[in-house]
Amino acid sequence: EAQVTQNPRYLITVTGKKLTVTCSQNMNHEYMSWYRQDPGLGLRQIYYSMNVEVTDKGDVPEGYKVSRKEKRNFPLILESPSPNQTSLYFCASSETAANYGYTFGSGTRLTVV
Amino acid sequence: GQNIDQPTEMTATEGAIVQINCTYQTSGFNGLFWYQQHAGEAPTFLSYNVLDGLEEKGRFSSFLSRSKGYSYLLLKELQMKDSASYLCAVSHGAGTALIFGKGTTLSVSS
Repeated sequence: EAQVTQNPRYLITVTGKKLTVTCSQNMNHEYMSWYRQDPGLGLRQIYYSMNVEVTDKGDVPEGYKVSRKEKRNFPLILESPSPNQTSLYFCASSETAANYGYTFGSGTRLTVV
Repeated sequence: GQNIDQPTEMTATEGAIVQINCTYQTSGFNGLFWYQQHAGEAPTFLSYNVLDGLEEKGRFSSFLSRSKGYSYLLLKELQMKDSASYLCAVSHGAGTALIFGKGTTLSVSS
């Protein structure tokens, strides 16, 4: 089944403790992206990647890192999480052609205390 | 700057027709998407418009006017399961980068 798999689904952590949210897709998509979703603010792009070893900042990249060493994986790294990073996070992938919609992962609900 | 506007909330009754509007101002335009998102779940793709006009897909239709920076999503024969948020998104730059509106929460009652 074609899908984007994110882990974990839920995570509660403490301020400053490094964490990684994994994202993997099995559709051979070149384009991958991370979004956060907050009430009243909608989906905001954190980072995106157009291919292996090619990443770029989105609208809200501060406090996050990403890597794209393999085509299928695009982990999101929070080196020193803070409470304002409490949010619902989505990974998405798509074909490079503009008319293909994103396929989203199931989401990761992160709480930083 | 980049801006996408859509109403925050709408209500409708089962069997009715509802139109959700979206206006956009972006630095580029490679197409406009509509997504459906049920509470706590991932968004799912509904439609894509790149040329002016109406695209119909079953009970859902989407319209685009590029000159006006305007789109709408039309939902017919509403069902309770259509209660969800509807997200308007514009592909505006490199590759398939999408900028999303804040979403319209639709509540369908019996």
